Amino acid sequence: NAGVTQTPKFQVLKTGQSMTLQCAQDMNHEYMSWYRQDPGMGLRLIHYSVGAGITDQGEVPNGYNVSRSTTEDFPLRLLSAAPSQTSVYFCASKPRQGTYEQYFGPGTRLTVT
Amino acid sequence: GENVEQHPSTLSVQEGDSAVIKCTYSDSASNYFPWYKQELGKRPQLIIDIRSNVGEKKDQRIAVTLNKTAKHFSLHITETQPEDSAVYFCAAPHVSSTSYGKLTFGQGTILTVHP
Repeated sequence: NAGVTQTPKFQVLKTGQSMTLQCAQDMNHEYMSWYRQDPGMGLRLIHYSVGAGITDQGEVPNGYNVSRSTTEDFPLRLLSAAPSQTSVYFCASKPRQGTYEQYFGPGTRLTVT
Repeated sequence: GENVEQHPSTLSVQEGDSAVIKCTYSDSASNYFPWYKQELGKRPQLIIDIRSNVGEKKDQRIAVTLNKTAKHFSLHITETQPEDSAVYFCAAPHVSSTSYGKLTFGQGTILTVHP
């Protein structure tokens, strides 16, 4: 199993550009989530999904969109990038029930200039 | 929703000393408390967790204690080694029928172990 994978590893955007961060998992996990990590602020939840076709907002959803068309994939879209979105983004997954342990992807470092 | 506070934000110790990191949480219904370790440039990885039906759990040099009455839990690392240097995060879940174990993380503690 590859576990949770993310692409790209690094990305530089200009203000106003759009892009999609990719996340995939091969563990058949129903629950998937996106976090951003900023110095001194821990991991903050952006959006999460409990299954294909079901998504919900986390604590910092503004400026980000998600969709979940398959169990395996959970892309995060930035429609109009802003410097405040410069961060490291982590995708995570877990089975919907039976455990709280989340498995993280390797992260994407995004810089918006 | 759940609110998790973590202290200290940085911790510096000498090799062989003990290190303690503390977290408080707000939701009395929370029943699972994990600790994640993140090495520089790597992803967070679970190192130990505890459920609310026990007060302490140990795994070699690391242990976690839980005080449900006071709503706080702590990570204890004994005989610290340079490879323990990392960022440590605590977390607590949102407990509801629709959250499916959504986690709120603390702000993180940067632990530095000096040889």
